[in-house]
Amino acid sequence: AQTVTQSQPEMSVQEAETVTLSCTYDTSESDYYLFWYKQPPSRQMILVIRQEAYKQQNATENRFSVNFQKAAKSFSLKISDSQLGDAAMYFCAYRGAQKLVFGQGTRLTINP
Amino acid sequence: DSGVTQTPKHLITATGQRVTLRCSPRSGDLSVYWYQQSLDQGLQFLIQYYNGEERAKGNILERFSAQQFPDLHSELNLSSLELGDSALYFCASSASRLEMSSYNEQFFGPGTRLTVL
Repeated sequence: AQTVTQSQPEMSVQEAETVTLSCTYDTSESDYYLFWYKQPPSRQMILVIRQEAYKQQNATENRFSVNFQKAAKSFSLKISDSQLGDAAMYFCAYRGAQKLVFGQGTRLTINP
Repeated sequence: DSGVTQTPKHLITATGQRVTLRCSPRSGDLSVYWYQQSLDQGLQFLIQYYNGEERAKGNILERFSAQQFPDLHSELNLSSLELGDSALYFCASSASRLEMSSYNEQFFGPGTRLTVL
C-alpha cells in the first residue's frame, strides 16, 4: 500500500523568508501524481501544486515550487517570499492507480 | 469556491444515532469521493462513486454507506454513531474515473463538521 510521510508536524518562518516542507512517499507504482494541498483555518482544501511522476522538471506555481526526487521518493514544497496568508496546514498527497493518499500534514506559521 | 457543495455545514448528534451528509458535485463531474478528516489529521479516503456506481472503497466502516443518485448528487449515511466518528467529512468531485493516462483533479467541497456527543 502507498504511504505518504510528512516528518515536520509544525514549521514556522518569518514573513518574506523562504521555507521548505518535506514529504516522502512509498510506492511500487511507476506512474503516479503528487500534490500539495493547503488547508487554511476555513478548512477548505486548496490545491497548491501538482507534479506528474513522468516529468523530470520540477513544477512551479508563482511563489510555490517543488523539489521532486523520484529515486529518493521525495517531494518537498518550497514557499518563497512567505506571506501571512500562507499560514495553514499543508498536506502532501499521492495518487496512483487508485485512491488519493494524504500525509499527516505540516502546520505552517508565518511570523510577522 | 470549488463548485462542490455540501450540506449541512455542521451537525451535532448523539451516540447511536444516524445521520446523512449530502454532496452536490461540480456541474458535469461524474465522480464523487468521500473523505474523513479527524482532528488535525490527514484526509482518509472512504469511498468513490462514478456515474451512480461504486468504483473504489477505502477504509469505510460497515456502519457507513454511500450512494450516488441519477442527478449525480451523493449521500453518505453514518449509523450507530460513536464518539470517534466526530470529524470533518469532505466530498470531492472530478470529471471522470481515476485514469492514469491523464491528470484528473479532485475539487473539494467545504466539508461537513460532525460532532457526536
